[in-house]
Amino acid sequence: AAGVIQSPRHLIKEKRETATLKCYPIPRHDTVYWYQQGPGQDPQFLISFYEKMQSDKGSIPDRFSAQQFSDYHSELNMSSLELGDSALYFCASSVQGRGGYEQYFGPGTRLTVT
Amino acid sequence: GENVEQHPSTLSVQEGDSAVIKCTYSDSASNYFPWYKQELGKRPQLIIDIRSNVGEKKDQRIAVTLNKTAKHFSLHITETQPEDSAVYFCAASLPDKLIFGTGTRLQVFP
Repeated sequence: AAGVIQSPRHLIKEKRETATLKCYPIPRHDTVYWYQQGPGQDPQFLISFYEKMQSDKGSIPDRFSAQQFSDYHSELNMSSLELGDSALYFCASSVQGRGGYEQYFGPGTRLTVT
Repeated sequence: GENVEQHPSTLSVQEGDSAVIKCTYSDSASNYFPWYKQELGKRPQLIIDIRSNVGEKKDQRIAVTLNKTAKHFSLHITETQPEDSAVYFCAASLPDKLIFGTGTRLQVFP
């Protein structure tokens, strides 16, 4: 069965650079969620989109922005990168949003900021 | 906002024994409670979930219970096997996001 696809899988950037992470949800899933997971920590919700509209926002820095496109894929744009942004970034997708539906996670993008 | 507490943070059991992980949540609006298993460097994998209109759900060696009045839910793994070793996260849903517990590192010794 098709799963959530994320690219790239690994990314190394320097401080103050920008990064773009991409997420392709499971076919027919219309809701995308972004989570950030630091070493030894639980996933922290960043932002979500339902039917291409932002549906909720969590602890996402102002330096980050995201959007969902007409084909339901999503991109997380990160600017002025800081050392503390180094983490695993997961995208998850679900059908029909609004909570209460199974979220399936992608393999993650490991971002290292040096 | 929603807060999810999870205990214990680490759990070591002998193969064949049972393991229980407990979570509490704060927002009574949450109505969906999934459990994820995460191996080192891998994605969280949904292993079981329960909705607020159900008190218990079982899937082979895994069961989850929910006490909505007390805002508690628990994961029970019976007949544990070494391949059950991983970090387990509980979560509570709010519209458009999941709030995760802090995780339980389960080690199953042969």
